[in-house]
Amino acid sequence: AQSVTQLDSQVPVFEEAPVELRCNYSSSVSVYLFWYVQYPNQGLQLLLKYLSGSTLVKGINGFEAEFNKSQTSFHLRKPSVHISDTAEYFCAVKGNQGGSEKLVFGKGTKLTVNP
Amino acid sequence: NAGVTQTPKFQVLKTGQSMTLQCAQDMNHEYMSWYRQDPGMGLRLIHYSVGAGITDQGEVPNGYNVSRSTTEDFPLRLLSAAPSQTSVYFCASSYGRGSSGYTFGSGTRLTVV
Repeated sequence: AQSVTQLDSQVPVFEEAPVELRCNYSSSVSVYLFWYVQYPNQGLQLLLKYLSGSTLVKGINGFEAEFNKSQTSFHLRKPSVHISDTAEYFCAVKGNQGGSEKLVFGKGTKLTVNP
Repeated sequence: NAGVTQTPKFQVLKTGQSMTLQCAQDMNHEYMSWYRQDPGMGLRLIHYSVGAGITDQGEVPNGYNVSRSTTEDFPLRLLSAAPSQTSVYFCASSYGRGSSGYTFGSGTRLTVV
């Protein structure tokens, strides 16, 4: 079974500052990792995913994440945030074995970008 | 291309009433799932299906039933609504081939009074 821990429930930052949203996972098998974003009163949108290969993954809206197998982490970063990045961000994991389709989510991190 | 469509978007139920939340996808996805989202709890898996005729329980299945008679549809039934089922419900689907991400519907906000 897999589990996800998002280390910060809320992250306030100023516009144009860098941000890092932290995610750690636990799994007995190799995994695929995902970051989703949820804007107010909307559904979830895929930001990026790690499947294999390069540990640095680039996504939409200037976000990137780095997979660190030894630390079982998949932190999300953006070098300069905008007001429009204010949203809730969810880290998710699923096993990459055949037939393992259940996606397990963390509890989310609310990012607030202030002017 | 509609993606994942959920109806209704909002619903208020009285305790003890039953209802069905509808979910339909037009992407020929094999895998479909239902999540509930509660403040500070993230998304928790209720039920999922790996194909027509096959369903299984997730993390929080009590009080909910599902069926998958077609690839496109995956309705969620609340048998006897309780205030603890007040939540936002999301349906999601994927190709079911491991590395694909999920596509989410826009959600149903349910209030049980």
